[in-house]
Amino acid sequence: DGGITQSPKYLFRKEGQNVTLSCEQNLNHDAMYWYRQDPGQGLRLIYYSQIVNDFQKGDIAEGYSVSREKKESFPLTVTSAQKNPTAFYLCATREVTSGGVEFFGEGSRLTVL
Amino acid sequence: GDSVTQMEGPVTLSEEAFLTINCTYTATGYPSLFWYVQYPGEGLQLLLKATKADDKGSNKGFEATYRKETTSFHLEKGSVQVSDSAVYFCALNHGGSNYKLTFGKGTLLTVNP
Repeated sequence: DGGITQSPKYLFRKEGQNVTLSCEQNLNHDAMYWYRQDPGQGLRLIYYSQIVNDFQKGDIAEGYSVSREKKESFPLTVTSAQKNPTAFYLCATREVTSGGVEFFGEGSRLTVL
Repeated sequence: GDSVTQMEGPVTLSEEAFLTINCTYTATGYPSLFWYVQYPGEGLQLLLKATKADDKGSNKGFEATYRKETTSFHLEKGSVQVSDSAVYFCALNHGGSNYKLTFGKGTLLTVNP
C-alpha cells in the first residue's frame, strides 16, 4: 500500500538520551516535513527537505537533527539538547504538483521519563 | 508573515446540530486554503481545499468557501455525527515555490449522541 510509515508509534526515553524517529514513504514525493504537536499549540515545523541531500530548519529546529540520504526516508533525531522533547511528532510529504497538499503519517508519541 | 487564526475550542455539539468553525487568515497574494482533520491518536487527513477566491471546497458533508474580501475560510456542516469528533485545522499555502503549510492552532470538536 502507498503511504507514509512512522515508527515507533510510542517511544519512551530517559533524560539525556538521543532518540531517532523513522519516517519512510513510498509515494515518490520530493518534499518531506517533520512537525511537533503539543496540546493547544497546533503544529510547529521542525525541519523540512525539498530534495535528497538537502534540508532546512523550520521554526523550532533547536535540539533536533535530520538527514535525507534517500528520497524515501527522512529520520528525525531528538537530541539531549532538546529541553522539552515530550510531544507527538508528525511526518508529512508533499508532491510538488499537488498544489500544496501535504500527506501525513500516523505520528510517533515520545515520552521522556 | 502568513498566519491563520481559528476559533478556539473546544466545541461541543449534540448529534445533528449545525457546525461552524471560523477561520481567518493573513497572507499576501492569493494563497490556497485547506481544512485538515485529525482523529484521536492519528495523523492529519486533508478534508477539503480551495485554491482561488469564491471556490467552495466540500467533502463528507463539510463545506468551506474561500472569501477573499473577508480573508476567511469557515468550515460548516449541516448535521454533525458522533464520528465527526476530532480536531480540525485550517491551513494556507501559496503553492509554487512556497515550501510549507501555515496551520492554525486547531479546534477540538466533540459531538455527543
